[in-house]
Amino acid sequence: SQQGEEDPQALSIQEGENATMNCSYKTSINNLQWYRQNSGRGLVHLILIRSNEREKHSGRLRVTLDTSKKSSSLLITASRAADTASYFCATDAQGNNRLAFGKGNQVVVIP
Amino acid sequence: NAGVMQNPRHLVRRRGQEARLRCSPMKGHSHVYWYRQLPEEGLKFMVYLQKENIIDESGMPKERFSAEFPKEGPSILRIQQVVRGDSAAYFCASSPGWGDNGYTFGSGTRLTVV
Repeated sequence: SQQGEEDPQALSIQEGENATMNCSYKTSINNLQWYRQNSGRGLVHLILIRSNEREKHSGRLRVTLDTSKKSSSLLITASRAADTASYFCATDAQGNNRLAFGKGNQVVVIP
Repeated sequence: NAGVMQNPRHLVRRRGQEARLRCSPMKGHSHVYWYRQLPEEGLKFMVYLQKENIIDESGMPKERFSAEFPKEGPSILRIQQVVRGDSAAYFCASSPGWGDNGYTFGSGTRLTVV
């Protein structure tokens, strides 16, 4: 089964900087989703990009999707200390009934 | 709308006991998914249910684990004769079964087997 894999695994940046994370997957998808998880908490849905979309924005978030390369990126602009969390990509594959998650990126934003 | 409600938030069980995890989906959502997260790992799919039906249980261990989503009441993930390796965070998500607005996750149940 396919699985999103994020790169890099851990990122430490200064407040105000941008943070970029990448995700790759293996099979055809309906959509790709990004989630945030604060330590010890549940997942919060951030943004969903459909397979026929190439770029999507939501506030300080920008997601791109390249289906030919089977990859996606998540950009957080003007990061804040509150953005410190783990970020997961998850793919919703054609014909499947579940999300396939990557292992996540740990992002630390230093005030 | 209270979102996806999971309880308990934390559960401690001794080896050999049973663990019962509950999930109430968002109002209007008829599709429930259970995922397991081991420390420092992503979420792994376990089972997908609709009311009174198990649609896909390909991620469930073949023994000791079972799930149900009855006509009335919450979805239950049941782990019999727990072992230390069952210690993990178990997350439930729900969706309306149509559209693609993403899944809504609960806050999870953290199971510790001692």
